[in-house]
Amino acid sequence: KAGVTQTPRYLIKTRGQQVTLSCSPISGHRSVSWYQQTPGQGLQFLFEYFSETQRNKGNFPGRFSGRQFSNSRSEMNVSTLELGDSALYLCASSIGRGTGELFFGEGSRLTVL
Amino acid sequence: AQSVTQLGSHVSVSEGALVLLRCNYSSSVPPYLFWYVQYPNQGLQLLLKYTTGATLVKGINGFEAEFKKSETSFHLTKPSAHMSDAAEYFCAVSDRRTGNQFYFGTGTSLTVIP
Repeated sequence: KAGVTQTPRYLIKTRGQQVTLSCSPISGHRSVSWYQQTPGQGLQFLFEYFSETQRNKGNFPGRFSGRQFSNSRSEMNVSTLELGDSALYLCASSIGRGTGELFFGEGSRLTVL
Repeated sequence: AQSVTQLGSHVSVSEGALVLLRCNYSSSVPPYLFWYVQYPNQGLQLLLKYTTGATLVKGINGFEAEFKKSETSFHLTKPSAHMSDAAEYFCAVSDRRTGNQFYFGTGTSLTVIP
């Protein structure tokens, strides 16, 4: 069974640009969550999608957005990139909500110059 | 609100020695508790979890953790460290109300000395 797949794995952008990251969950998983990991702030929750609807949102500015498609694949978008957005963005999938287990992808490492 | 505190950002042990990584949590409702491991340039892998039932939880690679409600702790242990255990370890808490919004500790980097 394939795991959570995130693309791209690495990318470099400049300030002011926007970026879209993609996540394909494990087959049969309907919940996708996104986390930002930085050395200073650690792992922080961005948002959770279930059945194409955002169910939870963390404390991030509106420049961070996401969506989920009918096949449960998810994308997150960051607009008007800032240097502080440089981070490892991790996607996690779960069969449902509150089931008590997340399966993480390997992440997309974003560097903003 | 929920939160996790991991005592010790860096822990070093000798190969074959006991591994003890500490985690304390704060939660106003019965928590779900997790330990994840992260190797360089990789995502997080679940080691073990506590949701309900037996408070001593066994995970992969010989790790185990005990949920102690009175101490609000969920410490991770392994009787004998192996070189391959060197990694970053994260404790996390969630509950049924918050869906898949997990609160992570700041992590503990484990070094195993040969």
